[in-house]
Amino acid sequence: DTVLTQSPALAVSPGERVTISCRASESVSTGMHWYQQKPGQQPKLLIYGASNLESGVPARFSGSGSGTDFTLTIDPVEADDTATYFCQQSWNDPTFGSGTKLEIK
Amino acid sequence: EVQLVESGGGLVQPGRSLKLSCAASGFTFSDYYMAWVRQAPTKGLEWVASISYDGGSTYYRDSVKGRFTISRDNAKSSLYLQMDSLRSEDTATYYCTTTEGIGDYFDYWGQGVMVTVSS
Repeated sequence: DTVLTQSPALAVSPGERVTISCRASESVSTGMHWYQQKPGQQPKLLIYGASNLESGVPARFSGSGSGTDFTLTIDPVEADDTATYFCQQSWNDPTFGSGTKLEIK
Repeated sequence: EVQLVESGGGLVQPGRSLKLSCAASGFTFSDYYMAWVRQAPTKGLEWVASISYDGGSTYYRDSVKGRFTISRDNAKSSLYLQMDSLRSEDTATYYCTTTEGIGDYFDYWGQGVMVTVSS
């Protein structure tokens, strides 16, 4: 399985720019996707194909990267962005990262 | 509005069976691949199984192959997951999702249904 590694937690203030990283154990080309999960809710697709914004998702969210290193950027961060963010690859059988918990100070 | 509503979860003993259902509405069900993704308590997400538009192709993660069966009824806009020989490690919230293809990303998600495997 392709292992995806994410940093466990981040804390930022509203209005700041935050980058959440995801590193794959092997190249996944641009087959990387990002989800937001708020407490008690189902995940929500934010970014697909590394950099494509899902319909209805605010333009404050963006994605970049290819190969093994990927980034989800939120700029500017808002209080409502408190959530856990997961990356997922689709180059092989789908696997997810362990999630980055974002706290808004 | 896309809606996916799961049902059929509950408490079950190890080795027993359970069948999950997902009722879809708000989109043309037969146009979409579908999948099940699970999340163990306070854990991350794990893809379980996927099925093609017409049910002709199915794919499973290794740990459920031979025990779980994904199926669909396009006339009823419904997705199913038959889970046999359940193990404690199958305990999780199971989400019904749409997907762009086998092994692709997951667009829409249901609210999830909890399955607890315990004696």
